[in-house]
Amino acid sequence: AQSVTQLDSQVPVFEEAPVELRCNYSSSVSVYLFWYVQYPNQGLQLLLKYLSGSTLVESINGFEAEFNKSQTSFHLRKPSVHISDTAEYFCAVSVDVSGGYNKLIFGAGTRLAVHP
Amino acid sequence: DAGVTQSPTHLIKTRGQQVTLRCSPKSGHDTVSWYQQALGQGPQFIFQYYEEEERQRGNFPDRFSGHQFPNYSSELNVNALLLGDSALYLCASSLESRATIYFGEGSWLTVV
Repeated sequence: AQSVTQLDSQVPVFEEAPVELRCNYSSSVSVYLFWYVQYPNQGLQLLLKYLSGSTLVESINGFEAEFNKSQTSFHLRKPSVHISDTAEYFCAVSVDVSGGYNKLIFGAGTRLAVHP
Repeated sequence: DAGVTQSPTHLIKTRGQQVTLRCSPKSGHDTVSWYQQALGQGPQFIFQYYEEEERQRGNFPDRFSGHQFPNYSSELNVNALLLGDSALYLCASSLESRATIYFGEGSWLTVV
């Protein structure tokens, strides 16, 4: 069975500082990897995804994540955070199963709090 | 291009009642999934519908049921509501052959 572990439940950081949100997964088969962001009282927004190809993926708002197969990790990073990045971040995996089944398994989430 | 839309956004029900939540998938998507997100937790997969049939199911009791219509929209029904059913219910849509999944804003259910 697949599982996702987000190693930090909360990450406080000052504005313009770098941040890393850690995500490890467990799976015996190929996976697709995702980061979703959830702002207060809202649904989930897709931040970035790894399906295949380059192991470094980037979002339009400056976040990046690197797929590391040997360490089964998909950590999310941003070199300089803004107050508006304050939100809950969820790492998720989807198993590559023939037939197109695409069920997401989520981690418990990491609360990123950016302080001025 | 409309994204995933859900209704209602908020509702309050009494223990033992039944609730129906509705979802319209993103334009062009044919697969709908439902997730439950309890307060302070990550979303949990309830079930997935494709071609009007339930294709996968998570670890949820039979009180949770669903339906997909020919236009790909979907309903989630929960019978005999318990206090523990209070949560944000998220609808997600995708193309059957694609891995990327998009979520709606969710329906907040409070059971009192």
